Order: sequence, then C-alpha cells, then structure tokens
Amino acid sequence: DVKVTQSSRYLVKRTGEKVFLECVQDMDHENMFWYRQDPGLGLRLIYFSYDVKMKEKGDIPEGYSVSREKKERFSLILESASTNQTSMYLCASSPDILGRGNQPQHFGDGTRLSIL
Amino acid sequence: AQKITQTQPGMFVQEKEAVTLDCTYDTSDQSYGLFWYKQPSSGEMIFLIYQGSYDEQNATEGRYSLNFQKARKSANLVISASQLGDSAMYFCAMREGPGTNFGNEKLTFGTGTRLTIIP
Repeated sequence: DVKVTQSSRYLVKRTGEKVFLECVQDMDHENMFWYRQDPGLGLRLIYFSYDVKMKEKGDIPEGYSVSREKKERFSLILESASTNQTSMYLCASSPDILGRGNQPQHFGDGTRLSIL
Repeated sequence: AQKITQTQPGMFVQEKEAVTLDCTYDTSDQSYGLFWYKQPSSGEMIFLIYQGSYDEQNATEGRYSLNFQKARKSANLVISASQLGDSAMYFCAMREGPGTNFGNEKLTFGTGTRLTIIP
C-alpha cells in the first residue's frame, strides 16, 4: 500500500514564525502536492512538484514556498505565518500518468495547523 | 466559474437506503478524468472510484458506482445499501487534459458533501 506520511497531525505556531510541514512518500512517486482544506471551500492546491527540485504554483501559492530536494520528500514552508493560514494541510503523491489516467492521488492524514 | 460543483452541502440518509451525491463539472477538454474521495472524521482522504471521459461504461467499485452523463457534464456518486460507516465528507475531483503533459496530474476539487447515515 502507498504510504504518505505527514510529520505532524496537530501543530500550533505563533504569528511571524517560519513553519515547516514535512511530507514523505514511500512509493517512488514522481508527483507530490500540497493542499489546504477549509470548511466550505474544499481542497485548494498550493504547490505541486513533478520532479526533484521542480515546483509549480497551484491556485493559492501566496505566503507559501516548497522544497523538494529528494524524490520522496516534499516540504511546505510558511515563510512568516499569519492567522489566515490556520487550516488543515494535506499532502498527496501520485505516479506519472503517462496514459494511465486512472492513477489517483494518495493522501497523508493531514496536519491541522493553528497560527496564534 | 467553478470547475467542480457539489450542490449538496449536507445529506441525511437512512441506513440501508441508496444515496446519490451530485457532482457537475466544467471543462473544454475532451480528455479528462473524474475521481471521488471519502474523508471520514479522522481526516484521511480515501480514493473511491474513477471515471475517464472516454470510458464507455459507468465505473463501479463494490457498493460505489458512478452515474456518468457526459452530455450533462455530471458524475454523480451512487452508494448502494448505505452503512453507518459511510458517514463522511465526499469530494468530487477532476483531472483535465491528456495524461501526457506535465501539470495534467493536478486535481480540482469540489467543496464536498457531508453525508450522515441515520440508524
């Protein structure tokens, strides 16, 4: 089974802090994703990566950055945390589609981040 | 414009009844894929079922089936014989474009439907 592991289930940080959320997958997937989930808004894509050291902006990248130094690890960075970044953060991974369009994304358990 | 629309924020269904969760989508691509995920209160996202735009048959996976109406751009999830464990948030998602270009792996999600099964 695919395993996507997020470093923390719950995290509390203060405004202005630099926050790191870590995600590791064990299935050698090329693609990794960071979403945030808010009530009534569903999941919104922050950043994704289709290869080591490659990154692409999603729909809401402002206030965030990412790092992918190794294939299995994708980090989300809040450069200077603000209260409006309090949310549930979900990491996902998937293999390259390459004609196999039915490949789903596999998700971690999520990190519930509170910025005080 | 919303690419994925789920018009039912919440639904209550009696145990053992069938339930249909609505999903409509908007795309100009001919090749696309539609996914349904379940999110229990514990938070993990569980993949349920997939339908490709060129698939001629409606997808089925156990008690889950997808009522795919391409002309109407709808991909409703049907759960037969609902169980208490089906209580969860359900998300519809779409991947646009052929699966040969970078970036086509992205999914766009709807806002979800919270399903509650009543004993």
